[in-house]
Amino acid sequence: DAKTTQPPSMDCAEGRAANLPCNHSTISGNEYVYWYRQIHSQGPQYIIHGLKNNETNEMASLIITEDRKSSTLILPHATLRDTAVYYCIVSNFNKFYFGSGTKLNVKP
Amino acid sequence: DADVTQTPRNRITKTGKRIMLECSQTKGHDRMYWYRQDPGLGLRLIYYSFDVKDINKGEISDGYSVSRQAQAKFSLSLESAIPNQTALYFCATSDFRDGYGYTFGSGTRLTVV
Repeated sequence: DAKTTQPPSMDCAEGRAANLPCNHSTISGNEYVYWYRQIHSQGPQYIIHGLKNNETNEMASLIITEDRKSSTLILPHATLRDTAVYYCIVSNFNKFYFGSGTKLNVKP
Repeated sequence: DADVTQTPRNRITKTGKRIMLECSQTKGHDRMYWYRQDPGLGLRLIYYSFDVKDINKGEISDGYSVSRQAQAKFSLSLESAIPNQTALYFCATSDFRDGYGYTFGSGTRLTVV
């Protein structure tokens, strides 16, 4: 069962930051938050993950609230190539359950 | 070469036929998974295997079977294909020691007519 809630779609202007929210109010203490994206019908691609602390890598930043019930994925300077479906997943390393994700439309 | 390879990439088959989708990986990961994706929807877990002797059902295993022939190979079979099994199928591997979760294959697009 998907344990996350995401808006079905969002728009973002090219060059601006894209902030994608995710609610995971039933997350357990040993569950991580993972973000993946899927471009067209390709295999989903790993973006970032975290447990409690905020995380940053070359692709994105992940902000997790102190109570861990929600998180935000930030793409600092969105490009047209970032147009994709973004999935927020909580997992304790056993298996992933995907929800419907957020379709991010980056517009010129 | 891709880390996770799925064959075939595309397949059209007739109702009632048996079909096998194959997945092989060079990641050295113990865990392998099969997912199905229908248009406009997220991925749903069909079967997963944590090692060669371990097979587990996922959310939607009815009508499917799997075989873990080796650490690197995990096959999905449709014993008697039906049209509502038309979907995009993904294989994935994982080894959470590296912290990166899943590595997905490129998918197999299956059409049952």
